[in-house]
Amino acid sequence: GESVGLHLPTLSVQEGDNSIINCAYSNSASDYFIWYKQESGKGPQFIIDIRSNMDKRQGQRVTVLLNKTVKHLSLQIAATQPGDSAVYFCAEKKENQAGTALIFGKGTTLSVSS
Amino acid sequence: DAGVTQSPTHLIKTRGQQVTLRCSPKSGHDTVSWYQQALGQGPQFIFQYYEEEERQRGNFPDRFSGHQFPNYSSELNVNALLLGDSALYLCASSLMARRGYTFGSGTRLTVV
Repeated sequence: GESVGLHLPTLSVQEGDNSIINCAYSNSASDYFIWYKQESGKGPQFIIDIRSNMDKRQGQRVTVLLNKTVKHLSLQIAATQPGDSAVYFCAEKKENQAGTALIFGKGTTLSVSS
Repeated sequence: DAGVTQSPTHLIKTRGQQVTLRCSPKSGHDTVSWYQQALGQGPQFIFQYYEEEERQRGNFPDRFSGHQFPNYSSELNVNALLLGDSALYLCASSLMARRGYTFGSGTRLTVV
């Protein structure tokens, strides 16, 4: 079936380390993915996105890698800071003629200790 | 520039009651989508509204209905509330056919 999931529910890192959060998807036709950060009491906040015609995309301190062969994407956060502590979701955007929908995975909770 | 505004922020209802949640989209956005997020889970797509019509619907029963007004704001209605409807309800706005979504902070609904 179609699903977007994450490998690990929690990840604990030290301040300054690099963090890697993984996500697997099952729909080989998926062509657009988004990473969101959700802090307690807030809605998901856009971090970075990537289309299937790309393997890598970089933002400020974040990099998303897409491996279409194994249907896997990852979010890398450089020099992780306490403010990066949150739940991270990958989402797949599904589109048809009628409209669009985001399909979310279950999330990975990132805890950063100083 | 105001982002997505949702009201109320918290709500407690009794089983069997009906509830209406409201969403004002980000300025310039014309499309509103609603999501249900149970505790510890990722958001699940309920439906999407564009040009005052429901365009897409997720796997939710007919007890969940919505509306979009000419000013692009939207309401989510849930009838015959069940305990399992307790969740954070998120509204996301966007421009149809564009990539970016902006989420509101959600309405925390508790059904007792």
